Amino acid sequence: QKEVEQNSGPLSVPEGAIASLNCTYSDRGSQSFFWYRQYSGKSPELIMFIYSNGDKEDGRFTAQLNKASQYVSLLIRDSQPSDSATYLCAFSGGGADGLTFGKGTHLIIQP
Amino acid sequence: EPEVTQTPSHQVTQMGQEVILRCVPISNHLYFYWYRQILGQKVEFLVSFYNNEISEKSEIFDDQFSVERPDGSNFTLKIRSTKLEDSAMYFCASSEATVRETQYFGPGTRLLVL
Repeated sequence: QKEVEQNSGPLSVPEGAIASLNCTYSDRGSQSFFWYRQYSGKSPELIMFIYSNGDKEDGRFTAQLNKASQYVSLLIRDSQPSDSATYLCAFSGGGADGLTFGKGTHLIIQP
Repeated sequence: EPEVTQTPSHQVTQMGQEVILRCVPISNHLYFYWYRQILGQKVEFLVSFYNNEISEKSEIFDDQFSVERPDGSNFTLKIRSTKLEDSAMYFCASSEATVRETQYFGPGTRLLVL
């Protein structure tokens, strides 16, 4: 069974600091990894995707993937109160179309 | 910027009734998906659809569920006889291709079964 593990939080970070979100996955056949942001009552909104080992940067966001350790992370630099949301880790691949999601980490940015 | 749209935004129904949830995927996308999220739980994959047929379905997608692309733009999810446990947010998503491609989600339909 494919699983994605995330710390549910809440993770509280002061405004302007770096927020670090972590995720582990069980399926070694996974090929693509995604971070979605979900505000309460809203749909998942794509933040980042990463396919290859290493780091990928997009503005204030950096995704890190380590396939050997089956670990993916998201760093948010210069955290803003508007970053307060639940961050969902998801993966696809291994012969499957559908994304497998984690339960999400609730991030709170304290002004 | 193109986006996935869904109607209705909210639906209340009685147990045992049929509901149809509608989605308009992004126009040049080829793969379509339905997910659900029960309140307080994770997003769960239901079904994927490609080339006018189901590509993959999860264990949740039993005989009570069906999907259809009735015309060139709409993609629907039908629940034949709703149960209380079908109450959830239902999200439609679409992607240009599968596996490595990003799936873009619609705003969702909140279904409440009484």
